[in-house]
Amino acid sequence: GESVGLHLPTLSVQEGDNSIINCAYSNSASDYFIWYKQESGKGPQFIIDIRSNMDKRQGQRVTVLLNKTVKHLSLQIAATQPGDSAVYFCAETYTHNDYKLSFGAGTTVTVRA
Amino acid sequence: DTEVTQTPKHLVMGMTNKKSLKCEQHMGHRAMYWYKQKAKKPPELMFVYSYEKLSINESVPSRFSPECPNSSLLNLHLHALQPEDSALYLCASSQVPGGSNSPLHFGNGTRLTVT
Repeated sequence: GESVGLHLPTLSVQEGDNSIINCAYSNSASDYFIWYKQESGKGPQFIIDIRSNMDKRQGQRVTVLLNKTVKHLSLQIAATQPGDSAVYFCAETYTHNDYKLSFGAGTTVTVRA
Repeated sequence: DTEVTQTPKHLVMGMTNKKSLKCEQHMGHRAMYWYKQKAKKPPELMFVYSYEKLSINESVPSRFSPECPNSSLLNLHLHALQPEDSALYLCASSQVPGGSNSPLHFGNGTRLTVT
């Protein structure tokens, strides 16, 4: 699978491989994290979320990992498919933060056939 | 398909025009948001409505005027825009106001071009 140690703006992955998208956050008070997928011409689509009292959460073909010690969030996509090609944004917020989500810069994932 | 519906999908307007963007959700969400997104950038928060009242204005120029007629509808009125206001305008809603435990659900946006 593809692994990115630091945040990179683009990721190219072979169809069928696993993808890992990384995100660093800076606010140690953040306690809620969300991953969004944005396909071309569409709005961001909710993928999965995780609260700070958890280290790992799994969905359908996706897993989010949270490392609070180093303030790092990752999204793993199993058996990447062409339909997974999109821009992926992480977002963070904290309780009583006046409804504000802070978005990461985004990672463009391209799936090679 | 998204459960947040935005119209129109595309809009071209001159700098002297007045137009409105519309957003509708029927999920019973009590917080609604307007975001602006430039190409290859993350969404930027503009306004937040909580229980139909404006709770946040992120120092948005007055040529953008939001309105929340009821809990399901959100409008963004546009007047005397500048070419640099061209962007994708996204509407979002969340179940309850507040940052945590309530992910935002986005519409597909209105692609606005100011000429």
